[in-house]
Amino acid sequence: QSALTQPASVSGSLGQSITISCIGTSSDVGGYNYVSWYQQHPGKAPKLMIFEVTNRPSGVSNRFSGSKSANTASLTISGLQAEDEADYYCSSYTSSGSVVFGGGTKLTVL
Amino acid sequence: EVQLVESGGGLVQPGRSLRLSCAASGFTFDDYAMHWVRQVPGKGLEWVSGISWDSNNIGYADSVKGRFTVSRDTAKNSLYLQMNSLRVEDTALYYCSKDRWTTVTAVFDSWGQGTLVTVSS
Repeated sequence: QSALTQPASVSGSLGQSITISCIGTSSDVGGYNYVSWYQQHPGKAPKLMIFEVTNRPSGVSNRFSGSKSANTASLTISGLQAEDEADYYCSSYTSSGSVVFGGGTKLTVL
Repeated sequence: EVQLVESGGGLVQPGRSLRLSCAASGFTFDDYAMHWVRQVPGKGLEWVSGISWDSNNIGYADSVKGRFTVSRDTAKNSLYLQMNSLRVEDTALYYCSKDRWTTVTAVFDSWGQGTLVTVSS
């Protein structure tokens, strides 16, 4: 159950777009479409932003989008806003019936 | 509105036990899988355990397998985590989370505010 690999930090200017990668293996990210992304502000519980690779829950801005290629999933945030500054985590179902998270990425909006 | 309220956290000595509870409301508890996810303050998320809607499918992280037991009570709309043989490294904020589906997936669509477990002598 090794953690998925995410960059520790990314940054972007207001209005720009950024992409956060989430690298796994064929036993998790590459083998299933149960890849999700979560946003967490300091002192708050995580919030589901993307599920099953590309789907947005109701109420989540369409500025957030997800994709996957082989063993790598990606979260793209377009038109960066100040409130997007937060930690972002990916997760995936695994072949052992467990769930694995990425180490988290701190997004800074400049 | 979905509400998940955790309780049962606290300070406990290494080797002792603790039982966490999660009271669920605002949705049909029977219809969804549930999970426990923990987070060391300032660190990342770690999935601990998940249980399907009918309790027939249960999973644990390797780090807690054999020590923790997850269960659910439909009549009380509650999720539980029995934690035995606690270690210092189990110290974390423990979140209760609702799955989007009936089986264990990686789609946590609602979260509680967490209950803090501190394991220390």
